[in-house]
Amino acid sequence: GQNIDQPTEMTATEGAIVQINCTYQTSGFNGLFWYQQHAGEAPTFLSYNVLDGLEEKGRFSSFLSRSKGYSYLLLKELQMKDSASYLCAVRLRDYKLSFGAGTTVTVRA
Amino acid sequence: GAVVSQHPSRVICKSGTSVKIECRSLDFQATTMFWYRQFPKQSLMLMATSNEGSKATYEQGVEKDKFLINHASLTLSTLTVTSAHPEDSSFYICSAQRGQGAYEQYFGPGTRLTVT
Repeated sequence: GQNIDQPTEMTATEGAIVQINCTYQTSGFNGLFWYQQHAGEAPTFLSYNVLDGLEEKGRFSSFLSRSKGYSYLLLKELQMKDSASYLCAVRLRDYKLSFGAGTTVTVRA
Repeated sequence: GAVVSQHPSRVICKSGTSVKIECRSLDFQATTMFWYRQFPKQSLMLMATSNEGSKATYEQGVEKDKFLINHASLTLSTLTVTSAHPEDSSFYICSAQRGQGAYEQYFGPGTRLTVT
């Protein structure tokens, strides 16, 4: 089976930085995705890592270490609209996505 | 960007009836579509993989006779929940992939099914 772990909840202040960690143990690895999901909506793509290192995209950055089975999503300059669930998903060799349970981020004024 | 639509967005049906959910890729051809189910405050669970022109591949624990999937064209996949029961009430989300080499799945907006 697939095992993808991420914290359940995180709270941060507007303007701050939050780092969401994700560790995985999967049968095969073909990339790691981060998605944002607001309540009652479908996930929206944030980032994709397949090689080790940091990918930066505006206020969001994602890091991957394949040897450690570890990734993190970094959200900078937090805004109220960033309050959402953040899903870590591993793409398996057969192109299926296996999702973590999601981290609910609450941004407070 | 790639757009995926789902219809209906919300549906309420009575126990024992069947419900069909459509997933369409609007501006690209999707060789593969995926169907997920998401219960409240839980993550997405893959139900099945749908390939155009062939039978769907179901994940372990998902009843293929209850959740019928048809991928009749490169832009349309349908999920039919047969003989629905209240425990089938969930958020059903589809995603579409352009091709086998593509890395991104594009998600539809989801369908909220409530079985009374």
